[in-house]
Amino acid sequence: EIVLTQSPGTLSLSPGERAALSCRASQSVSSSNLAWYQQKPGQTPRVLIYGASSRATGIPDRFSGSGSGTDFTLTISRLEPEDFAVYYCQQYGSSTWTFGQGTKVEIK
Amino acid sequence: QVQLQESGPGLVKPSETLSLTCAVSGYSISSGYSWSWIRQPPGKGLEWIGSFHQSGGTYYNPSLKSRVTISVDTSKNQFSLTVTSVTAADTAFYYCARGVLAWGQGTLVTVSS
Repeated sequence: EIVLTQSPGTLSLSPGERAALSCRASQSVSSSNLAWYQQKPGQTPRVLIYGASSRATGIPDRFSGSGSGTDFTLTISRLEPEDFAVYYCQQYGSSTWTFGQGTKVEIK
Repeated sequence: QVQLQESGPGLVKPSETLSLTCAVSGYSISSGYSWSWIRQPPGKGLEWIGSFHQSGGTYYNPSLKSRVTISVDTSKNQFSLTVTSVTAADTAFYYCARGVLAWGQGTLVTVSS
């Protein structure tokens, strides 16, 4: 089973700042089959990025994904007030899928 | 546009079996993709339960494998989840999904006597 470790656990930033969230895998993720989700309180997770770097439909271009192998990053170029939420990575490249534990992006 | 809708009892007694169904519209299950169940205990992170792959094979989270079954009914275009011998630790929002891009709204299942 591939273990995904997200860091930091909490990121305290101000609107307008740049956020970089890390997701590290215990083994190489096949074909960059890695997704990023955003979840706000009381809401269903929303997919932002799939295939490590492809934006899902309707996702603003301030969100970008990068990385391959075992190291992946979600970057939010300029934080908007609605971006403060919890973010999860997920790998779906092996027969058993796994999620990271999440990174909370909070207002500083 | 594919839509997924979970349904099932909101309350299950300890030691009993939890059963949920995901009704799919706008896409035929037999046409492809992976069909999954994911859960999230209130206030906690996401946990993958298992997936049925149209390309072949059903796979489960090793920590749940002994208690979980995913089945597919192509005639009704739906798939189901059963979890046996539930405890309070199985209390969670349960989501069904197609691949990674389409999720249902989720349903809360509480395990309590």
